[in-house]
Amino acid sequence: AQTVTQSQPEMSVQEAETVTLSCTYDTSENNYYLFWYKQPPSRQMILVIRQEAYKQQNATENRFSVNFQKAAKSFSLKISDSQLGDTAMYFCAFMKGDSNYQLIWGAGTKLIIKP
Amino acid sequence: ETGVTQTPRHLVMGMTNKKSLKCEQHLGHNAMYWYKQSAKKPLELMFVYSLEERVENNSVPSRFSPECPNSSHLFLHLHTLQPEDSALYLCASSQVRNGELFFGEGSRLTVL
Repeated sequence: AQTVTQSQPEMSVQEAETVTLSCTYDTSENNYYLFWYKQPPSRQMILVIRQEAYKQQNATENRFSVNFQKAAKSFSLKISDSQLGDTAMYFCAFMKGDSNYQLIWGAGTKLIIKP
Repeated sequence: ETGVTQTPRHLVMGMTNKKSLKCEQHLGHNAMYWYKQSAKKPLELMFVYSLEERVENNSVPSRFSPECPNSSHLFLHLHTLQPEDSALYLCASSQVRNGELFFGEGSRLTVL
């Protein structure tokens, strides 16, 4: 069975700093997808970034980028030039390539950006 | 109307009450989900309606029963709940085989 581990329950950084959130996963699958979702306080969870396992190039979305290490089964999220609005819970998730709907979720990392 | 809408946002109920949570999506998606979110735990998938097929997590107690009358609406009927059922219940929608879920703001349930 697949598992997703986020080893940092909580992190805090100063505004404008760069922060990296870690995520590791366990799977025997070769075809899968990885996601980072963001849940701001009292607001909707939204998708931040998505990575296909067959792609070697790391996904990037503006200030958000990932470091995907397939052999190490690691999928970290880097937030550059952090902003107060980045304060949120961040969840890492895994989905098998042949799955219709089943995401496996990590327990989340609470990120606090300090002014 | 945009995205995924959940009502009510907050619900307090006694253990003998019957209530329902409602979810509506305006995105044309063909899959809808109920998740339970408890503090410091991974999201727990409770039910999925995908292309009019229902899939459920076998560990979900029968005091939770879903209903999906059409592809845009999803309900979670609650009856004789326990205090440990207090949590944030999230509704989401997506296209099948696409892990990009669109979530509602959640319904915060407190069972007394």
